[in-house]
Amino acid sequence: NAGVTQTPKFQVLKTGQSMTLQCAQDMNHNSMYWYRQDPGMGLRLIYYSASEGTTDKGEVPNGYNVSRLNKREFSLRLESAAPSQTSVYFCASSSGGTGTGELFFGEGSRLTVL
Amino acid sequence: DAKTTQPTSMDCAEGRAANLPCNHSTISGNEYVYWYRQIHSQGPQYIIHGLKNNETNEMASLIITEDRKSSTLILPHATLRDTAVYYCIVRGPSNTGKLIFGQGTTLQVKP
Repeated sequence: NAGVTQTPKFQVLKTGQSMTLQCAQDMNHNSMYWYRQDPGMGLRLIYYSASEGTTDKGEVPNGYNVSRLNKREFSLRLESAAPSQTSVYFCASSSGGTGTGELFFGEGSRLTVL
Repeated sequence: DAKTTQPTSMDCAEGRAANLPCNHSTISGNEYVYWYRQIHSQGPQYIIHGLKNNETNEMASLIITEDRKSSTLILPHATLRDTAVYYCIVRGPSNTGKLIFGQGTTLQVKP
C-alpha cells in the first residue's frame, strides 16, 4: 500500500546548491502535482502534470523545474536553492479527468536552505 | 475557480458533531466543492466532494445550500483524532484536477 512516495524526507542545503526531490506513485494515476507549504500557511501549487509528457506551471513556479519521467514519477528540481525555498514539499497524484479532484498526497519532504 | 472563505479556527467537544462552514458565493454551476484535511504536518487527506446534492460517506457529510453559495462539512461524532486543518476548495471540472488550497479552518476537538 505505498501510494505516493517522496524522497528524501529531510534535506538541508546551503544557498546556491541544487537538488532534486523525487516522487513516485503506484496507483496508475495520470496526473501528478508538487505543492509547497510554508509554516502556518496553506499549500501552494508549484507545478503539475496532467498526463505523462506534459507539465504546467502552478501558482509559484519560479526557482523550480520539473520532469515527468514516466507515468509513475514526477521530480522537482531546485537549481540554485535560496533560503526562501525552505518549506515542506508535498507531491500528490490523481486519476485526472473531469470531476475527479481526489488527490492522494505523499508524506512530505522537509527542506531547509541555510 | 471560485474563492472560498472559512473561519480561521473552531472548537468542538469530543463526541459531538463538528460543523465546519464554507462560503463560496462566486461558485459557478459546474464547479465542485471539495473538502480535505491535514492532520499535524502530514499530507492532506481527501474527505468528500459534491456538486449540488448533499453527500455522505464513512468520514463525513457535506451539505450544500440550494443556491450553492455555501456548504457545511459535518463530522457526526468528532474524536480527538479529528483535530486538524480542514480545507474547503472549489474547482471546475476542466482544470485537470489541480486544487488551490486556502488557509483552512483549524478544528480543535477537546475532551
